[in-house]
Amino acid sequence: AQRVTQPEKLLSVFKGAPVELKCNYSYSGSPELFWYVQYSRQRLQLLLRHISRESIKGFTADLNKGETSFHLKKPFAQEEDSAMYYCASRASGGSYIPTFGRGTSLIVHP
Amino acid sequence: DVKVTQSSRYLVKRTGEKVFLECVQDMDHENMFWYRQDPGLGLRLIYFSYDVKMKEKGDIPEGYSVSREKKERFSLILESASTNQTSMYLCASSPGTGGSLADTQYFGPGTRLTVL
Repeated sequence: AQRVTQPEKLLSVFKGAPVELKCNYSYSGSPELFWYVQYSRQRLQLLLRHISRESIKGFTADLNKGETSFHLKKPFAQEEDSAMYYCASRASGGSYIPTFGRGTSLIVHP
Repeated sequence: DVKVTQSSRYLVKRTGEKVFLECVQDMDHENMFWYRQDPGLGLRLIYFSYDVKMKEKGDIPEGYSVSREKKERFSLILESASTNQTSMYLCASSPGTGGSLADTQYFGPGTRLTVL
């Protein structure tokens, strides 16, 4: 079974500092990887996915197959980035059911 | 814009009651999902459905059942609610077709269920 690990329950940074939310996956093939975000009082929504190779709200994530990681990064955190972030993966070519990590709560202090 | 709606934002029930949580999506998506969201445990899949009248168990199906009689509607049923089912319940849908974006999940606002 696939497993997605987000080692940090909570990440606390100051505004303007770099931020990196870690995500490791266990699937040995070529997975599809995602980051979902849930802002306070809002619904969970897709932030980005690795096949899109795009930057959303200043966030990027690179798939590192050697380290089986898909860390989410932003060079300068903003207060509005405070949210719960979930990493998810699914097997490429498999079912459309993703496996979610346990989530990391990011708090950006002014 | 995809819209996924859930019948209630907050629900309070008593132990032993039968509970129905309804979810409706308006984008003709093939796949629908029910998750529990608990602090420290993330999202755990309860059931999913890839077609009308089709359902598959997720990771934690015990104590739950589902119904999908129409493509746009996916119901979660707690046959006899227990206190350990107090949680936030999230419904989601995904297209299921359409190439690389077929697996993008769209979530409802959630139902916070409290079982007393």
